[in-house]
Amino acid sequence: AQTVTQSQPEMSVQEAETVTLSCTYDTSENNYYLFWYKQPPSRQMILVIRQEAYKQQNATENRFSVNFQKAAKSFSLKISDSQLGDTAMYFCAFQNRDDKIIFGKGTRLHILP
Amino acid sequence: DADVTQTPRNRITKTGKRIMLECSQTKGHDRMYWYRQDPGLGLRLIYYSFDVKDINKGEISDGYSVSRQAQAKFSLSLESAIPNQTALYFCATSDFGSYEQYFGPGTRLTVT
Repeated sequence: AQTVTQSQPEMSVQEAETVTLSCTYDTSENNYYLFWYKQPPSRQMILVIRQEAYKQQNATENRFSVNFQKAAKSFSLKISDSQLGDTAMYFCAFQNRDDKIIFGKGTRLHILP
Repeated sequence: DADVTQTPRNRITKTGKRIMLECSQTKGHDRMYWYRQDPGLGLRLIYYSFDVKDINKGEISDGYSVSRQAQAKFSLSLESAIPNQTALYFCATSDFGSYEQYFGPGTRLTVT
């Protein structure tokens, strides 16, 4: 069975700094998708970035980028120039061909002014 | 208008009551999902449906049932609510092959 582990329950960084959120996963499959979702206090689930396992190039979306290490089954999220609006829960998620998503337990990120 | 809507947004009910949470979508997606979020546990899949005639149990289906009334509607029922079903419930949709799910705004349910 697939599992997703986020080892950092909570983190705090100063505004404008760079922060990296860790995620590891376990699967025997070769083709899958990985996601980072953001959940601000409004509780809406917002897709931040996604990565297809067959692509070697790391995905990037503006200030958000990932470090995808397929062999190590690692999928970390880097937030550059962090902003107060980045304060949220961040969930790493794995999706296989069955279309079911498995979520990690989340990392609560605080951006400090 | 939101693509995925959930009603009610907040609900307080008593132990033993039957309650239904509703989800509607205008995205035209075939696939719909119900998740439950508890503090420190992330989101867990309750039920999912890949089309109107297809219903599947997820990770934590005990105590819940669902109905897919139409392509656009997917309801979650708690036949006899209990306090440990207090949680935030999300509906989500996806299109076949898109590998991206779109979430509703969530329903906060409290069972007293």
